[in-house]
Amino acid sequence: QQQVKQSPQSLIVQKGGISIINCAYENTAFDYFPWYQQFPGKGPALLIAIRPDVSEKKEGRFTISFNKSAKQFSLHIMDSQPGDSATYFCAASMSGNTPLVFGKGTRLSVIA
Amino acid sequence: DAGVIQSPRHEVTEMGQEVTLRCKPISGHNSLFWYRQTMMRGLELLIYFNNNVPIDDSGMPEDRFSAKMPNASFSTLKIQPSEPRDSAVYFCAGGRGGGSGELFFGEGSRLTVL
Repeated sequence: QQQVKQSPQSLIVQKGGISIINCAYENTAFDYFPWYQQFPGKGPALLIAIRPDVSEKKEGRFTISFNKSAKQFSLHIMDSQPGDSATYFCAASMSGNTPLVFGKGTRLSVIA
Repeated sequence: DAGVIQSPRHEVTEMGQEVTLRCKPISGHNSLFWYRQTMMRGLELLIYFNNNVPIDDSGMPEDRFSAKMPNASFSTLKIQPSEPRDSAVYFCAGGRGGGSGELFFGEGSRLTVL
């Protein structure tokens, strides 16, 4: 059973455009929602994270939007750059000693 | 701090051989996770430890897989005997506790079983 569903599987965006990646979760006990960024040959690294007490969190060009009632959250990358080309994973977990459950990833390509 | 260190970075072996992957987490991180990454299944949790104690190994695909954490600075993931379907990138990740905090991943061990 896939607890976190991520879409799209791949995404091509023009330089300067907005990249949007969506995730939906099933377990209402989840209360931590991070996004990880992975470059080829490297391990995933934390990009930005949100908890359900807020609906949006922004860090530079990266924004998480969170909709608790719909059990969905999304990553928006403003002014996308070629250096943003990577695989992005959404994830979710519950407080306490529970591990992250990851979506299957979105391969983003930003073209000039 | 050198980050999470995994070895080997690449391993090519033949079906039936034993494979041992190693991980040195960041000092002070008391949770350690082993994930497997494939194109088809994404990042799958295999097993995780808190304070060197295995907490949940329900993600280990079968008895051919085993993991140990003899102390806070070292963990191993062993596959015996290996099969071609085990080919994947295996990641070790650590954190300061549970899942609701940042995980620090190693660069992974790419395993190819012929």
